[in-house]
Amino acid sequence: GQQVMQIPQYQHVQEGEDFTTYCNSSTTLSNIQWYKQRPGGHPVFLIQLVKSGEVKKQKRLTFQFGEAKKNSSLHITATQTTDVGTYFCAAPTYDMRFGAGTRLTVKP
Amino acid sequence: NAGVTQTPKFQVLKTGQSMTLQCAQDMNHNSMYWYRQDPGMGLRLIYYSASEGTTDKGEVPNGYNVSRLNKREFSLRLESAAPSQTSVYFCASILGEQGRQYFGPGTRLTVT
Repeated sequence: GQQVMQIPQYQHVQEGEDFTTYCNSSTTLSNIQWYKQRPGGHPVFLIQLVKSGEVKKQKRLTFQFGEAKKNSSLHITATQTTDVGTYFCAAPTYDMRFGAGTRLTVKP
Repeated sequence: NAGVTQTPKFQVLKTGQSMTLQCAQDMNHNSMYWYRQDPGMGLRLIYYSASEGTTDKGEVPNGYNVSRLNKREFSLRLESAAPSQTSVYFCASILGEQGRQYFGPGTRLTVT
């Protein structure tokens, strides 16, 4: 079945450094979603990408969807301590498939 | 609106015991989902219900049963709990197909 691979599993950065997480699918996706989960919390929707090559920005967060619609990335510029958490990509199909997530820690 | 609610928040079971996790949403969403989350494994789909009256297996359905009681409620039942079912369980709902998911706060289950 469809697999969604996400790397890296962990990322520790100094506050102010950039951060990127990558998501790859074994099949072409109709769209991809990104979620953030704070420690001890539940996943919260960030964005959905639909078009090939699409780029969307939310303040310091930049989301990209690959031209082949098989990969996606989330880039955070100048991380802050409020960015701490686990970031998941998700491939909505008849049964939602989530990546394993990238856990981001930020050292002040 | 309360969004998606789950009960209980925490539960400890002994091996072989049964229990039902409750989930309700007040957003008039059609589809509802049950996930389990284990360290390093992300979220894995147990069962989902695309609409009232229908349920389907997800990636890891063994050891679980579900009931879509009505449009608002979707329950998950463990008939005979096993230590491998120790996990955090999340319920989620979406309005239509492939839309954004709204998650409940989760149930932390420990089976000893």
